[in-house]
Amino acid sequence: NAGVTQTPKFQVLKTGQSMTLQCAQDMNHEYMSWYRQDPGMGLRLIHYSVGAGITDQGEVPNGYNVSRSTTEDFPLRLLSAAPSQTSVYFCASRGEGSIQYFGAGTRLSVL
Amino acid sequence: GEDVEQSLFLSVREGDSSVINCTYTDSSSTYLYWYKQEPGAGLQLLTYIFSNMDMKQDQRLTVLLNKKDKHLSLRIADTQTGDSAIYFCAASSGAGSYQLTFGKGTKLSVIP
Repeated sequence: NAGVTQTPKFQVLKTGQSMTLQCAQDMNHEYMSWYRQDPGMGLRLIHYSVGAGITDQGEVPNGYNVSRSTTEDFPLRLLSAAPSQTSVYFCASRGEGSIQYFGAGTRLSVL
Repeated sequence: GEDVEQSLFLSVREGDSSVINCTYTDSSSTYLYWYKQEPGAGLQLLTYIFSNMDMKQDQRLTVLLNKKDKHLSLRIADTQTGDSAIYFCAASSGAGSYQLTFGKGTKLSVIP
C-alpha cells in the first residue's frame, strides 16, 4: 500500500547542477502534480499532468521540466539549479472521490 | 485566479475547541479541503467538503461552508496537544477541478 512515493527525501545541490526528483504512484491515478512549499507561502503548483503524455504548467513552472511517459511516474527535472529553488517539493496524485494524495516530500537545498 | 487566505497563527488551551478560518475567491471552486502538516512531514488530508454542502462532521472535526461569503472553517473539538500542526485550506480550481490552490497555512499551537 505504497501510495505516492518520492525520492530522494533530501538532496543538496550546487548552483548550476541538474537533477531529477522522482515521483511514483501505484493507484493508477491519471492526475498527478508537483508543488513546492516555501516558508509562509503555502504550496504552489509547479506542473501537472492529466494523463500519460499530457503535461501543463502551473503557477511557478520556470526552471522546471516534467514529462509523463507512464501513468505511474511523473519526474520533475531541474535543468540548472538555482538557490531560489531551495524548497520542499511535494508530488500528489488524484483519483476518484476528489482526494489528492501527497508524497512525503523532497527537501532540496541549492548552495 | 483563485486566492485562498487564512490567518497564520492560532493558540488554544488543551480541551478547548479550535476554529480555523479560510476565505477563497473563486465561487466556482467545487471542492474545499483541509490538510494537516506536522513538522518535517507531508500533507495529510483531514477532510473535504463539496461546494453544495453547508456542513460536514467527522468525529472531532466539523467543517462549515458559507458559499455566499466564500468562507470555510474547520472546528476541532476537545483540542489535544497532538493537534499542534500547520493546517492548510485548499480550493479546487481549473478545468476538471483538479488543481488545488492552497492558503499559506495556520499554525495551531495547543497549550497543555
